[in-house]
Amino acid sequence: DTGVSQDPRHKITKRGQNVTFRCDPISEHNRLYWYRQTLGQGPEFLTYFQNEAQLEKSRLLSDRFSAERPKGSFSTLEIQRTEQGDSAMYLCASSMRLTSGTGELFFGEGSRLTVL
Amino acid sequence: DQQVKQNSPSLSVQEGRISILNCDYTNSMFDYFLWYKKYPAEGPTFLISISSIKDKNEDGRFTVFLNKSAKHLSLHIVPSQPGDSAVYFCAANTDNFNKFYFGSGTKLNVKP
Repeated sequence: DTGVSQDPRHKITKRGQNVTFRCDPISEHNRLYWYRQTLGQGPEFLTYFQNEAQLEKSRLLSDRFSAERPKGSFSTLEIQRTEQGDSAMYLCASSMRLTSGTGELFFGEGSRLTVL
Repeated sequence: DQQVKQNSPSLSVQEGRISILNCDYTNSMFDYFLWYKKYPAEGPTFLISISSIKDKNEDGRFTVFLNKSAKHLSLHIVPSQPGDSAVYFCAANTDNFNKFYFGSGTKLNVKP
């Protein structure tokens, strides 16, 4: 299977702990996105990379959140000093940036974070 | 700011009938629209898209209609099947494809 993969699928942590999520995009895709989804809401944009460059960050991404994409391949999303409000599904998606035509997102299955 | 809105949280339809899911947007700069389907405990999967240069796009049982003047799009599923029961999200973005804005979703239940 060469789709987007995320790890871990589910993480339970205590408030104040740090957590890290990993995303492996579809190999030929040059764009990688992180979204967050809470119950009853649609995915909310957090940040995206084109190759290894982080080009945009949402104001939702506080300084406790950091994302990296070294070498333009996999990406990590780290949350420091977790709070209960961070509990959500963290979705990774990738796409191929085209000069024209479609560029839909392909999502992974998500990493569900529960902060106790 | 909610730039993409799905005002119906849920929809129930009988198997074999038509399902119509609606989506409204506020940003006139949007020129590319997509529908995603999501099953529980899975990530959203791409269903169908439409560019603003078209007003209709069809793929099998799924048709998306775009009304730019009303800033409204809809997804028609005909005939509806129980396997279509899922949450459907509409999404939109601009020509730069920088980020996609999603609606809050409509949960479709197709009854056998």
